[in-house]
Amino acid sequence: DQQVKQNSPSLSVQEGRISILNCDYTNSMFDYFLWYKKYPAEGPTFLISISSIKDKNEDGRFTVFLNKSAKHLSLHIVPSQPGDSAVYFCAARDKSGSARQLTFGSGTQLTVLP
Amino acid sequence: DAMVIQNPRYQVTQFGKPVTLSCSQTLNHNVMYWYQQKSSQAPKLLFHYYDKDFNNEADTPDNFQSRRPNTSFCFLDIRSPGLGDAAMYLCATSVAQETQYFGPGTRLLVL
Repeated sequence: DQQVKQNSPSLSVQEGRISILNCDYTNSMFDYFLWYKKYPAEGPTFLISISSIKDKNEDGRFTVFLNKSAKHLSLHIVPSQPGDSAVYFCAARDKSGSARQLTFGSGTQLTVLP
Repeated sequence: DAMVIQNPRYQVTQFGKPVTLSCSQTLNHNVMYWYQQKSSQAPKLLFHYYDKDFNNEADTPDNFQSRRPNTSFCFLDIRSPGLGDAAMYLCATSVAQETQYFGPGTRLLVL
């Protein structure tokens, strides 16, 4: 049972336009959400995060929106650049228990076309 | 630069031959994690060390073991690799339950 879902395996966007990556979750105990970017043959790199007490967090070209009622979050990249082409993973942290492990989505391959 | 280092980056082993993957960190983080990632799938947590306390995920096969001799190093031992264990193995670290930082991964091939 996938608790974190990224329903779009791939997304193509023109350079300079907005990229919107979506993520849905089912576990109401998730209290912290993160986005990671992964290039081929490299480990995931932390990009941006948001706490469940907020609905928006912005860092430069990257903005994450959280809609708790819909259990949905999205990552906006504006403007998109060819160097943004990578796999983007959404991850969520469970506030229950001591482990606070991350649960990852299966990723979305973003391709930014020049 | 503070970082998470994984060696080797690529590892080839034979079916049933024990293999050890290593992870080291210069971040002085107290938590270290091992994930398994298969192609086009989400990284799956195998286990983690919170300081010296080992925490195994319920569905991690007994074939997988881990050691953390000190704060900086953590090892993943696969006692008898099967073909299904071929994957990318990712090490990550964090301070307590804060953001996890990943190493570059070790890609394991089982022949």
